[in-house]
Amino acid sequence: GDSVTQMEGPVTLSEEAFLTINCTYTATGYPSLFWYVQYPGEGLQLLLKATKADDKGSNKGFEATYRKETTSFHLEKGSVQVSDSAVYFCALIMNSGYSTLTFGKGTMLLVSP
Amino acid sequence: DAGVIQSPRHEVTEMGQEVTLRCKPISGHDYLFWYRQTMMRGLELLIYFNNNVPIDDSGMPEDRFSAKMPNASFSTLKIQPSEPRDSAVYFCASSPGQNFRNEKLFFGSGTQLSVL
Repeated sequence: GDSVTQMEGPVTLSEEAFLTINCTYTATGYPSLFWYVQYPGEGLQLLLKATKADDKGSNKGFEATYRKETTSFHLEKGSVQVSDSAVYFCALIMNSGYSTLTFGKGTMLLVSP
Repeated sequence: DAGVIQSPRHEVTEMGQEVTLRCKPISGHDYLFWYRQTMMRGLELLIYFNNNVPIDDSGMPEDRFSAKMPNASFSTLKIQPSEPRDSAVYFCASSPGQNFRNEKLFFGSGTQLSVL
């Protein structure tokens, strides 16, 4: 079946460091890809998405590019802040048929001042 | 809008007791989802509803779990009897339409369940 694999956390960074959280997927077709973020004590919320190959999703300084050739959707940010500390989930949904989101296990990011 | 509202925020119970989790979706959203989050398994979809009708309950772990949506503004997830392995965070989410590729999910803050 379809699946998402994320790098295990926690990822620990100092403020203003560069962030990469790896995400790869397995799918039988061509999915749309998403990053959701979960701040402490809250539910998940959509951070960004990309619906086709080579698309770049971006929001709040975060970016991710849909790479079909490597089946990846890595999340990046040039300079993290303490307020970015959260759990980040990569997810996919198939572009054909009737399906729901499949989430990765999440990667915790801890940013220290 | 107040967003998706879940109650209680925290629930501590003893093994064998019945547990009921509650969810109020965003008004006008036709889809409601129940997810379970654990360290070991991540975020799992348990069941989802469309217009109050259960569409896919294949993620419900066993007969001890049941979910209902008696109207468009309320859903419950019940565990009877509860077991320690049910300890997790349970999220409710809603979505306005079935095009999940373009419609984002709106999540509640979750219910932290601890079964002793």
